[in-house]
Amino acid sequence: GQQVMQIPQYQHVQEGEDFTTYCNSSTTLSNIQWYKQRPGGHPVFLIQLVKSGEVKKQKRLTFQFGEAKKNSSLHITATQTTDVGTYFCAGPGDDKIIFGKGTRLHILP
Amino acid sequence: NAGVTQTPKFQVLKTGQSMTLQCAQDMNHEYMSWYRQDPGMGLRLIHYSVGAGITDQGEVPNGYNVSRSTTEDFPLRLLSAAPSQTSVYFCASSYSEENSPLHFGNGTRLTVT
Repeated sequence: GQQVMQIPQYQHVQEGEDFTTYCNSSTTLSNIQWYKQRPGGHPVFLIQLVKSGEVKKQKRLTFQFGEAKKNSSLHITATQTTDVGTYFCAGPGDDKIIFGKGTRLHILP
Repeated sequence: NAGVTQTPKFQVLKTGQSMTLQCAQDMNHEYMSWYRQDPGMGLRLIHYSVGAGITDQGEVPNGYNVSRSTTEDFPLRLLSAAPSQTSVYFCASSYSEENSPLHFGNGTRLTVT
């Protein structure tokens, strides 16, 4: 079945450093979504990418969708303590939405 | 506009007991789903529904039942609770499964002793 893999599983960065998480799908995706889950909270939708090679920015967050529509990345520039949480990618397939295992971001002050 | 409402927030069960986790949405979403979240395992899909009267199994359906008699409600039933079902459960909904963002409930933290 369809698999969505995400790396790294954990990432510790100093506040102000950059952070990147990568997502790979076993199948071509029609779109990919990114979510953020704060500690103790629920996942919250961040963005959806649809087009091959698409790049979208939200302030310090940059999202990319690969040319083959099988991989994606989320890059955070100059991390802040408010960026702490787990970032998930998710892709549709066979009438359902499958999530990667997420990347937990820890910020060291 | 309440969004996705899950009840209860916390629940402790003994092995063998049964219970129903409630999920309701008021956004007229066709797609609804249940995920469980365990440390290091991410969000794993239990069951999902693409519309009233239609349900299907996800990645980890064993031990759980669902029904979708209305568009608004998608309850998750644990038939005979086991310690392996200790987890945080999230209900989520969207307009469609194809290209709409998921809206999540606040979650139910379930402990089975």
